[in-house]
Amino acid sequence: DGGITQSPKYLFRKEGQNVTLSCEQNLNHDAMYWYRQDPGQGLRLIYYSQIVNDFQKGDIAEGYSVSREKKESFPLTVTSAQKNPTAFYLCASSISGAGHGNTIYFGEGSWLTVV
Amino acid sequence: QQPVQSPQAVILREGEDAVINCSSSKALYSVHWYRQKHGEAPVFLMILLKGGEQKGHDKISASFNEKKQQSSLYLTASQLSYSGTYFCGTESGSGSRLTFGEGTQLTVNP
Repeated sequence: DGGITQSPKYLFRKEGQNVTLSCEQNLNHDAMYWYRQDPGQGLRLIYYSQIVNDFQKGDIAEGYSVSREKKESFPLTVTSAQKNPTAFYLCASSISGAGHGNTIYFGEGSWLTVV
Repeated sequence: QQPVQSPQAVILREGEDAVINCSSSKALYSVHWYRQKHGEAPVFLMILLKGGEQKGHDKISASFNEKKQQSSLYLTASQLSYSGTYFCGTESGSGSRLTFGEGTQLTVNP
């Protein structure tokens, strides 16, 4: 089945640790995105990538890093610089980049909690 | 610029209708509608491109008024399964990013 797979579903981070959230898609989409969602709030864009080996900061990129070495993979690292990382993280993809009316499809999400 | 959704929350009885609005301060190229159940991924409902079109999806439809820079989502004869948070996302032009509103929480009771 085609889709977007995020792992892990639940992750706990200690203070000062970096953690990496995995996102893999087999939809052959060029564009991939990471969103953060806080309880009762909307979706805020962290980073996005429209092509392999290229990515751009979204609205809340501070404390996060990404890479796009393969078309199907777009991992997100939450660094120790992110002071309030507890949230629901959603990876998404679309056939091509934003601004063209392309549908964005979401993965199942990853819950990150700081302990 | 984040679109503004209204109302923030609505409670319905099964079979009732609801309208959710999404407005932007910028000219819009497209409007995307999603529904999300708690702790799950947002599910795509429909996309409307500039041109004032209206789309339907079973008993859920939407309109897009490009001149007023707003879109409305219409849910008719609501079912229990319609409960969730509805988000609109807007694009303001080629190369722009999809920006989401804060969501409208819809609860359908028996």
